[in-house]
Amino acid sequence: SQQGEEDPQALSIQEGENATMNCSYKTSINNLQWYRQNSGRGLVHLILIRSNEREKHSGRLRVTLDTSKKSSSLLITASRAADTASYFCATSKNSGGYQKVTFGTGTKLQVIP
Amino acid sequence: DAGITQSPRHKVTETGTPVTLRCHQTENHRYMYWYRQDPGHGLRLIHYSYGVKDTDKGEVSDGYSVSRSKTEDFLLTLESATSSQTSVYFCAISHGLAGAGVQTQYFGPGTRLLVL
Repeated sequence: SQQGEEDPQALSIQEGENATMNCSYKTSINNLQWYRQNSGRGLVHLILIRSNEREKHSGRLRVTLDTSKKSSSLLITASRAADTASYFCATSKNSGGYQKVTFGTGTKLQVIP
Repeated sequence: DAGITQSPRHKVTETGTPVTLRCHQTENHRYMYWYRQDPGHGLRLIHYSYGVKDTDKGEVSDGYSVSRSKTEDFLLTLESATSSQTSVYFCAISHGLAGAGVQTQYFGPGTRLLVL
């Protein structure tokens, strides 16, 4: 099963509202990253949070990490139509000397103007 | 897309034929990756490369082979395409090994492959 599972699978909000997406994972990790994917495009890195960090901000993005619950959340404040995209979490952990990066299944966000 | 191109961008092929996808980077990054993206599965790693002629398997490597003869090019070959390999294929690069430290991956635009 997937190391990272996002919920909800799909989210539709009005422009100006906040959007929250969650990611849960099963085993210990070294860090967790969030990526965005616009339709028909590749993934774009948004933000990374290390396992010893609890919260991180970047512009309108706020990421939290709760290692005890094995979960992370991505908050996008004051959403814009241009935020419409799919959002993926990616966890990394040691795996036989290789740092394995595993992507979740994504949350599809629609921001209605 | 961070100096990464993929070719072709779209391909339709028949079951049993070999297919080669190309990833080209202009960033001189050491590490390159091939992923496939399917509904309900997110991105899954097929193979990755940690240098010229140095490659290793990912979690879904069966039916795929790769080659890297130059820093800038990473080829993915489907030796005998099957319908289950219909997918969107993404190439990614990173300066260091993804996951170690803070190595971010940069993705190409993707190749849509349909195997009939």
